[in-house]
Amino acid sequence: QVQLVESGGGLVKPGGSLRLSCAASGFTFSDYYMSWIRQAPGKGLEWVSYISTGGSTIYYADSVKGRFTISRDNAKNSLYLQMNSLRAEDTAVYYCARVGSGYDFDSWGQGTLVTVSS
Amino acid sequence: QSALTQPASVSGSPGQSITISCTGTSSDVGGYNYVSWYQQHPGKAPKLMIYEVSNRPSGVSNRFSGSKSGNTASLTISGLQAEDEADYYCSSYTSSSTHVVFGGGTKLTVL
Repeated sequence: QVQLVESGGGLVKPGGSLRLSCAASGFTFSDYYMSWIRQAPGKGLEWVSYISTGGSTIYYADSVKGRFTISRDNAKNSLYLQMNSLRAEDTAVYYCARVGSGYDFDSWGQGTLVTVSS
Repeated sequence: QSALTQPASVSGSPGQSITISCTGTSSDVGGYNYVSWYQQHPGKAPKLMIYEVSNRPSGVSNRFSGSKSGNTASLTISGLQAEDEADYYCSSYTSSSTHVVFGGGTKLTVL
């Protein structure tokens, strides 16, 4: 069965950096677009970024553009999110998700919490 | 403020039907058949319930159905059960630079 496991979250000071990872299994990772979606405490879902199968097509939400970088390693079945210049408003649970045929997110990881605070 | 508008809350009694609306614009909901719906229980990851407006993934109960009219999409849950109590989010592809937008979420209470 499809499994997505995020890691790398934690407490970081404003202006700091963090790298999230997502290990995928149970499907052919290289066949799917992948995405990061976040949810601030007590708030709704916010799409962050997605990456095409080979990594050549990448899109970001305006709120993270220029600060976050999405990447993937198909040989390692892994998705990454490099987060720089972190702000308090980036505090959220970050989910890794597989992108379905219709810009939907058909499988989700359990999420990893990122807290940006001094 | 979310790009797609959902009611903050809806409620219904067991066995009843409820509908959650999701209103966007011609740049998202109205312009594409790429509307999806997610169920999220407290402390859990979201789960895809409907994709491409009205399609159910394998394993999702046929009590859940989706539709769209103009710039508004809808999720209908029939035969409400206690386990349906959760937050529900819609999302859509958008022609804007954001590519994907979510609604603000709707809390469903089963009375």
